[in-house]
Amino acid sequence: DAGITQSPRHKVTETGTPVTLRCHQTENHRYMYWYRQDPGHGLRLIHYSYGVKDTDKGEVSDGYSVSRSKTEDFLLTLESATSSQTSVYFCAIMTGTVYNEQFFGPGTRLTVL
Amino acid sequence: TQLLEQSPQFLSIQEGENLTVYCNSSSVFSSLQWYRQEPGEGPVLLVTVVTGGEVKKLKRLTFQFGDARKDSSLHITAAQPGDTGLYLCAAPNSGGSNYKLTFGKGTLLTVNP
Repeated sequence: DAGITQSPRHKVTETGTPVTLRCHQTENHRYMYWYRQDPGHGLRLIHYSYGVKDTDKGEVSDGYSVSRSKTEDFLLTLESATSSQTSVYFCAIMTGTVYNEQFFGPGTRLTVL
Repeated sequence: TQLLEQSPQFLSIQEGENLTVYCNSSSVFSSLQWYRQEPGEGPVLLVTVVTGGEVKKLKRLTFQFGDARKDSSLHITAAQPGDTGLYLCAAPNSGGSNYKLTFGKGTLLTVNP
């Protein structure tokens, strides 16, 4: 079974500080995704990766950057956190290549004060 | 941008009742997925439907894909408190990049004992 860990699981930070969230998968899945989930908005794609050093923007990418230097790790960085980035962040991997089924991590709850 | 509209947004029922939730769009989909998300966790894939008119059963859950592949429904028979959660439908993006999913905003189901 695919395994995903996200770290940290909870974080409280202040406006203007940089924040990096980490997603680690235990298998060599090519596609990885970062979503944010907010009440009233559902799951929205921030960035995704289709291989080492290959990334692309999603629908809400402003204020976020990503990096993927190894197949198993996908990092999401908030260069200067804002209160509007308070959210729950989920990492996912594509496990089904025909229909793009995704397997999600447990999430990181980020609060920006 | 394709949209997936889910209804109802909230549903609170008593244990033992039946219910149906819906996922609708004006777009035609090659396939459609249903996920369930329990509080504090990431979404978990329940089923993928791929053929117009297809019906899939997962214990007390019945999933149907519309004949025109624009809509889907999830019917739960004799709901139990363990069915409580957020039910999300999702479909691969049409056009050039079907490696991304579009999610509906979900139906939040509460089953009271």
